Amino acid sequence: DTAVSQTPKYLVTQMGNDKSIKCEQNLGHDTMYWYKQDSKKFLKIMFSYNNKELIINETVPNRFSPKSPDKAHLNLHINSLELGDSAVYFCASGRAGSSYEQYFGPGTRLTVT
Amino acid sequence: AQSVTQLGSHVSVSEGALVLLRCNYSSSVPPYLFWYVQYPNQGLQLLLKYTSAATLVKGINGFEAEFKKSETSFHLTKPSAHMSDAAEYFCAVILNSGGYQKVTFGTGTKLQVIP
Repeated sequence: DTAVSQTPKYLVTQMGNDKSIKCEQNLGHDTMYWYKQDSKKFLKIMFSYNNKELIINETVPNRFSPKSPDKAHLNLHINSLELGDSAVYFCASGRAGSSYEQYFGPGTRLTVT
Repeated sequence: AQSVTQLGSHVSVSEGALVLLRCNYSSSVPPYLFWYVQYPNQGLQLLLKYTSAATLVKGINGFEAEFKKSETSFHLTKPSAHMSDAAEYFCAVILNSGGYQKVTFGTGTKLQVIP
């Protein structure tokens, strides 16, 4: 069973479009995250959700919006895509409290042309 | 403010040699420290974690790391490198402050293992 899954794995789209990336975890964790990894492998946290409440909101453009319909899902919506949004986006989940270890999904490679 | 520094963006070792990947952090409060590994075209996988218990932490695949508060370091080691260890390694710091988590990853170290 896949612990953290993301769809799609690859996403190619044009500038100005709106797209979504879905994430689901079956680990029963109460916190989920979105990360952006650029071409130099630099990993930056974008958002995290704990019990459907946003607890971290890094300085990302408001074109990016996380949506969490329930504890097992945290989707990422991106409006008006720009060339600089091209990256690999990772979803992760964890259990807040004792250790904060995170479990990552396989990633979604977004290419904006 | 917290920060994580990984010295050496690329490290090459011979198969069977010692692996040492360096991580230094800065933090105003006791941190949670992690090492993750990323194989090509995959997500990150937890190697090990430090959560204020034993300072020497053992992880998967024969890796271990030692927390040294005086040196603000959390270096990752493995006695004998294997070809399958070739990957990107990330050190991470998580602080819990007032119920909020502050997550910071290092810039990564790419480990090359030479046969």
